[in-house]
Amino acid sequence: QSVLTQPPSVSAAPGQKVTIPCSGSSSNIEKNYVSWYQQFPGTAPKLLIFDDNERPSGIPDRFSGSKSGTSATLGITGLQTGDEADYYCGTWDTSLRAVLFGGGTKLTVL
Amino acid sequence: QITLKESGPTLVKPTQTLTLTCTFSGFSLRSNGVSVGWIRQPPGRALEWLALVYWDNDKRYSPSLKNRLTITKDTSKNQVVLMMTNMDPVDTATYYCVHRGVTPFFDYWGQGTLVTVSS
Repeated sequence: QSVLTQPPSVSAAPGQKVTIPCSGSSSNIEKNYVSWYQQFPGTAPKLLIFDDNERPSGIPDRFSGSKSGTSATLGITGLQTGDEADYYCGTWDTSLRAVLFGGGTKLTVL
Repeated sequence: QITLKESGPTLVKPTQTLTLTCTFSGFSLRSNGVSVGWIRQPPGRALEWLALVYWDNDKRYSPSLKNRLTITKDTSKNQVVLMMTNMDPVDTATYYCVHRGVTPFFDYWGQGTLVTVSS
């Protein structure tokens, strides 16, 4: 069971918006930057968001990140079928002195 | 261009020690703040961080696995090695080598290598 909690799945229609929450605690999300990763089946994860809300070059602005207190959120607007993937949040835990990942959320674009 | 590639056995027996090598290019592990780590993913399951080695040879391990893990670097060869002792079938997973810069996120990933633990 992951220390960072994500819903196992979310779904939405093409063109719509979806949010994926990541819940943690005062020793991880609240104190440290959150990153998000996108993973397609059979491939390595890819960095999507870093430092809570920054996008690497090449990531469209349909993807956004936010954080409030002990929770972070990934937002995806203008959903496309090509966005169907697993999404993971990650951060550092100051008390555990360890990297943490969420359990992952499978996005289905109906 | 930063690249990382994992190598090692695809099959190990229970109780054996797994040794994986990450060979990288496009950056130096002598650079201030840079680290290389390992992350694994059992089939159909979530990512699990294992270990990190920093440019100054500082090391961090997953608290739940630290007694079984050793991470080392060979800066001259641009390699990082992960050893995991006492392998068990539950350790069957794809093992990824990752680059972490000064800020705490993993921006480059290797393609991963599937390690199966079975007798």
